Amino acid sequence: AQSVTQLGSHVSVSEGALVLLRCNYSSSVPPYLFWYVQYPNQGLQLLLKYTTGATLVKGINGFEAEFKKSETSFHLTKPSAHMSDAAEYFCAVSEPRRDDKIIFGKGTRLHILP
Amino acid sequence: KAGVTQTPRYLIKTRGQQVTLSCSPISGHRSVSWYQQTPGQGLQFLFEYFSETQRNKGNFPGRFSGRQFSNSRSEMNVSTLELGDSALYLCASSAGLQETQYFGPGTRLLVL
Repeated sequence: AQSVTQLGSHVSVSEGALVLLRCNYSSSVPPYLFWYVQYPNQGLQLLLKYTTGATLVKGINGFEAEFKKSETSFHLTKPSAHMSDAAEYFCAVSEPRRDDKIIFGKGTRLHILP
Repeated sequence: KAGVTQTPRYLIKTRGQQVTLSCSPISGHRSVSWYQQTPGQGLQFLFEYFSETQRNKGNFPGRFSGRQFSNSRSEMNVSTLELGDSALYLCASSAGLQETQYFGPGTRLLVL
């Protein structure tokens, strides 16, 4: 069965600094990988997803993630943090040739320091 | 296109009662999935429906059930509510199998 581990339940970065949120996954088949963001009292919004092809995926709001099969990682980055990036971020995995169930990580709350 | 809508947005129930939550997917989407989000357990998959058929079910007791109608709208039902059922229940729709899921704002259920 697939699983996701997000390193760090809370991450703090200064405004303008690099954002790096770590995600490692396990899957018995080539996975689909996702990053979602959740703002307070709201549902989840898809930031980006990897299915096949180019391993560097660009998403909305300046975020990107790189699929590294050898490291089973899918870390999320943004070159310059903005106050509006403060939210909770979820990494997720699915096994598309088995089912469509999405397994989420525990989430990382990103704090932006002025 | 309107997004995924969920009703009600907030709900307060007491132990032992039952509750029905509703989800209207994005127009044209035929797949609906349900998730439970709690501070302790995070986001957990409940079940998925496609064309009125349940395709997948998570590890939840039989008190949790769902269905999907011919217009793709879905409902989930929780019977004999327990305090631990207090959570944010999220619905997601997608155009088809293995397509991107789009989430609604959720229904926040409080069981007293």
